[in-house]
Amino acid sequence: ETGVTQSPTHLIKTRGQQVTLRCSSQSGHNTVSWYQQALGQGPQFIFQYYREEENGRGNFPPRFSGLQFPNYSSELNVNALELDDSALYLCASSNGQGDSPLHFGNGTRLTVT
Amino acid sequence: DQQVKQNSPSLSVQEGRISILNCDYTNSMFDYFLWYKKYPAEGPTFLISISSIKDKNEDGRFTVFLNKSAKHLSLHIVPSQPGDSAVYFCAAPLPDGGTSYGKLTFGQGTILTVHP
Repeated sequence: ETGVTQSPTHLIKTRGQQVTLRCSSQSGHNTVSWYQQALGQGPQFIFQYYREEENGRGNFPPRFSGLQFPNYSSELNVNALELDDSALYLCASSNGQGDSPLHFGNGTRLTVT
Repeated sequence: DQQVKQNSPSLSVQEGRISILNCDYTNSMFDYFLWYKKYPAEGPTFLISISSIKDKNEDGRFTVFLNKSAKHLSLHIVPSQPGDSAVYFCAAPLPDGGTSYGKLTFGQGTILTVHP
């Protein structure tokens, strides 16, 4: 069973640039959620995708956007990067049933300079 | 607005002793709680959960207790082992429905260090 994989593992961008982070969900999982974890904080929910549609969004501005593909993989796009966007971005997948827990990837560390 | 709070940033215990990690919540609509463990350079890993219809759930060395009237839950690890050293997060599903528990609100985390 393949777990959740994220790429790249690390990324350095300049303020104002755009970035795309990628996530492959665990085999058999159709729901993908994205989280932002700032240093010393817990993960914060960005949004969730289910059957290629956004299914809930946290308190993040529209410059955070996403996609889910037919194979359930997903992308997180962030436009007009700001210094505060520097964080660990975590992708998590689940099978969308009942109380199945989230399975997280190891994250992408984004640094905005 | 932090709906789930872990007020202890860190905890240090001796191997073999009990570790108790605490979590408070403010939203009485929460009906399910989860604990995740996170090692450096890895994503959080699900540890144990509890439904609000229970006040205790046990899985091996890990037990979670829920006190609904106090809006408080705790994770007990007995006996603690050096491999348990990690960051522990409590979490609850955001109360807006949706598919499964993919929309979670997390506490700030507690760094547990277990000394040999």
